[in-house]
Amino acid sequence: GESVGLHLPTLSVQEGDNSIINCAYSNSASDYFIWYKQESGKGPQFIIDIRSNMDKRQGQRVTVLLNKTVKHLSLQIAATQPGDSAVYFCAETENDYKLSFGAGTTVTVRA
Amino acid sequence: NAGVTQTPKFQVLKTGQSMTLQCAQDMNHNSMYWYRQDPGMGLRLIYYSASEGTTDKGEVPNGYNVSRLNKREFSLRLESAAPSQTSVYFCASSEIRLAGKVSDTQYFGPGTRLTVL
Repeated sequence: GESVGLHLPTLSVQEGDNSIINCAYSNSASDYFIWYKQESGKGPQFIIDIRSNMDKRQGQRVTVLLNKTVKHLSLQIAATQPGDSAVYFCAETENDYKLSFGAGTTVTVRA
Repeated sequence: NAGVTQTPKFQVLKTGQSMTLQCAQDMNHNSMYWYRQDPGMGLRLIYYSASEGTTDKGEVPNGYNVSRLNKREFSLRLESAAPSQTSVYFCASSEIRLAGKVSDTQYFGPGTRLTVL
């Protein structure tokens, strides 16, 4: 079946460095992608989204890149801070209400 | 503006007991969702309600029922709880798709941690 997954389950980053979190998806018909951040004991929090008619979208300290040719999505976090430590999920949908989530990448920021 | 709220935050049940998880949103969203999250896994959709008066099955609906009470509230019921339903349950809401304006961002509540013994 179709699935969304992340390349690495964990990522350790030095404070101040840039982080790159990757996600591969298999449904070529997906047209909307979202990155969520989930801190321990909390619900997922929206970070940034991108539609399939775009390759790149920037937010505050975050950038999402979409490569539809290889069905790859990435989240870049600039100048990673201790507050960025969390689990990051990518999610995708094929023009309907149902989001499919990847398993998540746990980001740990080293001081 | 509280966003999405869920009650209770924690619950322990015995096998065979029933309970209802409550969810409410104050963002005037049309669509609401119930997910479960198991350790080391992403969220899986149980049921969703695209608009008031409609509900549809998601990826893992067995053992659950839902009620869209009104536009604000969407409840999830376990009629006969099983240990396999031990999980963290999240409710979410989003705006309905409108012609020319597609905004599917789902906003999540804080979750209900359910343990079935």
